[in-house]
Amino acid sequence: AQRVTQPEKLLSVFKGAPVELKCNYSYSGSPELFWYVQYSRQRLQLLLRHISRESIKGFTADLNKGETSFHLKKPFAQEEDSAMYYCALLETNAGKSTFGDGTTLTVKP
Amino acid sequence: SAVISQKPSRDICQRGTSLTIQCQVDSQVTMMFWYRQQPGQSLTLIATANQGSEATYESGFVIDKFPISRPNLTFSTLTVSNMSPEDSSIYLCSVTGLGAYNEQFFGPGTRLTVL
Repeated sequence: AQRVTQPEKLLSVFKGAPVELKCNYSYSGSPELFWYVQYSRQRLQLLLRHISRESIKGFTADLNKGETSFHLKKPFAQEEDSAMYYCALLETNAGKSTFGDGTTLTVKP
Repeated sequence: SAVISQKPSRDICQRGTSLTIQCQVDSQVTMMFWYRQQPGQSLTLIATANQGSEATYESGFVIDKFPISRPNLTFSTLTVSNMSPEDSSIYLCSVTGLGAYNEQFFGPGTRLTVL
């Protein structure tokens, strides 16, 4: 069965420091992976998707099929990056996603 | 992007009663989902709302407890039946089919408290 693991429930860094939010997955098919973010008092929204290989708000994520990972990275964290981050795996046949448990990122001034 | 709204935004209910949550999308969408998000925890998929047929429930969720309707491609309801305090949670409606990459879009959520 598909599974998404985010090993860190809480992550705290100082402003300007690099940040990496870890995500590992298990899936028998070809994975489509996403990162979603939920800022305080806002709805859950897409941050980025692996298939488009983009950088959003300075964040990037590379799919590593050998390590079955999709870690989210940013070289210089900002206070406004403080939020809850969810990694998600799309089951392409069923059209539904499995979410990790989420990581709460706090960027301290 | 499309607008997804949910009603009510929050409610406080008594044990044993039922609450129906509505989800409205301003575009036709293929797939609609209902999730539960408990405080500090992940999203748990309750069911996929299928237009014109019965919803597809995930393990641990049953139709008698969470009946779902989807009369058309823009609207769905989730009912939380015979509520207990353990049902206190945020309930989220989500859709796909609006973006280019099968990403999900979420409603604002309904915060339910059961006393």
